[in-house]
Formats: sequence, C-alpha cells, structure tokens
Amino acid sequence: AQSVTQLGSHVSVSEGALVLLRCNYSSSVPPYLFWYVQYPNQGLQLLLKYTTGATLVKGINGFEAEFKKSETSFHLTKPSAHMSDAAEYFCAVSSDTGRRALTFGSGTRLQVQP
Amino acid sequence: NAGVTQTPKFQVLKTGQSMTLQCAQDMNHEYMSWYRQDPGMGLRLIHYSVGAGITDQGEVPNGYNVSRSTTEDFPLRLLSAAPSQTSVYFCASSQTTGTGGNQRAFFGQGTRLTVV
Repeated sequence: AQSVTQLGSHVSVSEGALVLLRCNYSSSVPPYLFWYVQYPNQGLQLLLKYTTGATLVKGINGFEAEFKKSETSFHLTKPSAHMSDAAEYFCAVSSDTGRRALTFGSGTRLQVQP
Repeated sequence: NAGVTQTPKFQVLKTGQSMTLQCAQDMNHEYMSWYRQDPGMGLRLIHYSVGAGITDQGEVPNGYNVSRSTTEDFPLRLLSAAPSQTSVYFCASSQTTGTGGNQRAFFGQGTRLTVV
C-alpha cells in the first residue's frame, strides 16, 4: 500500500521568498514520486518526477525536489516565489506493482503575497 | 494535439438520475483513469484501464461504472446519482511501458458535478 502526506494545507510566502512544500510518502516497494500543480479551474500539470537515478530533480518554472529515501521525503522547493506560482500543489506516488496509478496527497495551496 | 478532453465541464443532476461523463484522448495512451477531487482529500482513484477491454476498480469505485471499448475513450457512468457524488471529476491518461508506474499522466480539465 502507498500513501502520501503533505504537511500544511495552506502555505503563504512573500514574492521573492523561498518556497518549501513538504511531502512524505509511504511505500513498500521502490516509489516513483511526482509533483503536480493545479491552477484554478484547470486540470493537473506535471511539475517534476523522480523515477530512478539522480535524487535532485529539476522541473518546470524553477521548481526542484529532492528524493530522500532515509527520510521518505520528496519536498518541493523554489528559491524565489513569483505571483504566478499561486496554485494548489499535489505530491503523488506510484510504483511498478499493483494498479500503477497515482496516489495523491491532500494538496497544499500556495499563496504568494506581493 | 487536444490531449485529454472531458465533457461536460459542468453538470447538475437530481438524486437518482443517471449520466455519463465522457473522456477521450488522442495520444494513443494505453492507461486511462478516473479520479474524483474533494476538498482536503486530494484526488482519489475511482476506476482505471490498462487497455481496451480491460478495466479495474480503484479506491472509491462504488456507484460508478466504466467501460473501455476503444483505446481513445473511457466513459464514466453514474447509474443513480447521490449527493455524496458531488465532486470534481478528472480523467487522466498515460503511456505505459512494461512497468508503467513511472509515466507522466495527462489530465483533462475536469467535470464539476453537483447532485441535488
């Protein structure tokens, strides 16, 4: 069984400040980890994913995430927030067994203050 | 490319009515799935399909049926709508390799369903 926990349903930062969105996962098999972003009234778009190899993954719009197996974490960061980053962010896990479907966290809504 | 197309975008149903949410993809993806999104709960898997003629249940399948007669289409049927099915529904598709869990999912724009 797999699960994802996102700490903080709402995060507010100032424009230009560091963005840190936390994600911890549970998986009994090697996980694949994803971050998706959802803008208002839209579907989800892939930001980045970790499958194998390098544990620091760079995505679109300046976001990156680091897979830390010992901490079962996959936190999302961006050095400098932009107003256009305001959205809801979902961490998700999947694997090569079972349904191979994504299991999502409950989401974190990022607010960027001017 | 259109990607994943969902229709309708909005729908209001009365309790007990039936309807079908349509989903079509033009990327020749084998894997398709339906999720529902509820506040504070993220997205939960309803049903999924690994190819034409093959479907299976996800986490929350009760009250929903699916079929996959073609690679492109994966409709979701509500046989007798209930207020608990008020939600936003997303269809997604992804290409599958031999394993498939590492593939990027493409999502439709969603269907906002209200059952009164």
